Amino acid sequence: NAGVTQTPKFQVLKTGQSMTLQCAQDMNHEYMSWYRQDPGMGLRLIHYSVGAGITDQGEVPNGYNVSRSTTEDFPLRLLSAAPSQTSVYFCASNRRAGGTYEQYFGPGTRLTVT
Amino acid sequence: GESVGLHLPTLSVQEGDNSIINCAYSNSASDYFIWYKQESGKGPQFIIDIRSNMDKRQGQRVTVLLNKTVKHLSLQIAATQPGDSAVYFCAESSRGSTLGRLYFGRGTQLTVWP
Repeated sequence: NAGVTQTPKFQVLKTGQSMTLQCAQDMNHEYMSWYRQDPGMGLRLIHYSVGAGITDQGEVPNGYNVSRSTTEDFPLRLLSAAPSQTSVYFCASNRRAGGTYEQYFGPGTRLTVT
Repeated sequence: GESVGLHLPTLSVQEGDNSIINCAYSNSASDYFIWYKQESGKGPQFIIDIRSNMDKRQGQRVTVLLNKTVKHLSLQIAATQPGDSAVYFCAESSRGSTLGRLYFGRGTQLTVWP
């Protein structure tokens, strides 16, 4: 049971390039989400999904796309990278157990856009 | 909208002392709160949660207190150890919000010195 995995761990992009951040979980969780974390800030929700085929926008969705074709995978796509997207990105999944939402986070992807 | 924040950005304590980390929220509809610990270079890790129908909840060496009157919660760590050094975030969710959708505060850096 690997939990939540993310690849790559580090990435450097030039402005205008596109890329996909991968996220996978093996806990059969319905809910998955993507956050970004900037220095001195908490985590801000980018997109989330409540199940395969269902996605929705979070607080800061502009510049990012997501899809959820399977329960396990939830990739995040940057269509045209901008320096403002330099950040650490965390994927998370959670289950509802006993009325609580225990969220499990991946190790993060550190992205730099030059 | 929801607003979750922390009173102090940094906290330094001596090993063996108790630590208290505070968090304020502004959404009176918030009914679920989580504390996360984030070590350097890692994703946030669930510590403890509490629902709004409770004032106090205890875990192993940790206690969360919720004061709904002043919209404040705190995390108490007993006998703080060097391994407790990390950034601590509170997160909240409100009744009726999408499953697992959480709003995070900025975080408090806890440093434990010998």
